[in-house]
Amino acid sequence: KNQVEQSPQSLIILEGKNCTLQCNYTVSPFSNLRWYKQDTGRGPVSLTIMTFSENTKSNGRYTATLDADTKQSSLHITASQLSDSASYICVVSAYQTGANNLFFGTGTRLTVIP
Amino acid sequence: EAGVAQSPRYKIIEKRQSVAFWCNPISGHATLYWYQQILGQGPKLLIQFQNNGVVDDSQLPKDRFSAERLKGVDSTLKIQPAKLEDSAVYLCASSMGPGTGRADEQYFGPGTRLTVT
Repeated sequence: KNQVEQSPQSLIILEGKNCTLQCNYTVSPFSNLRWYKQDTGRGPVSLTIMTFSENTKSNGRYTATLDADTKQSSLHITASQLSDSASYICVVSAYQTGANNLFFGTGTRLTVIP
Repeated sequence: EAGVAQSPRYKIIEKRQSVAFWCNPISGHATLYWYQQILGQGPKLLIQFQNNGVVDDSQLPKDRFSAERLKGVDSTLKIQPAKLEDSAVYLCASSMGPGTGRADEQYFGPGTRLTVT
């Protein structure tokens, strides 16, 4: 069964601190993995995308890693800011017969406090 | 480049009433998606269009939900009659479509927050 699991479910950190969010998946056949940031009341916005051969991808203070063997990914946020408060969703894509099927995690709710 | 537009942003209705949501995708995007996102959960795909044809509607509750994309551009999603459990954010997304490779990125609209009382 194709599933995407994220942990922790929620996280509170102090401004300026680092944090790491986890994503485990059982999606097959694997096409790519994305991390999305979803601010309250807005649609998800893509942060990073990684294919099978990529181990790490950075976007400013966000760094995503992928271990395709263990089917795990992480999103590391460095020097957190108040604006990082949002839900972070891991999305894994399975590519079959010319179409991308997306499987969404339930997200990690991050709160950054001053 | 203009993003995916959705309206209304918020809607409150009583159970058994009807409601319709509208989505205008990014210009030139062939594929359009409607998702339901219940509070605290990830989005769930309701229906996927390729131009004006339905690709996947396996998770659409067809007894009460309907969607159309008659001219292959904008789309409407309707719920009739609404139930309390339909309270959620309804997200519309679009992508360029097949032929763009495996990284066919979906761009999301801001969503419509529906509250059924």
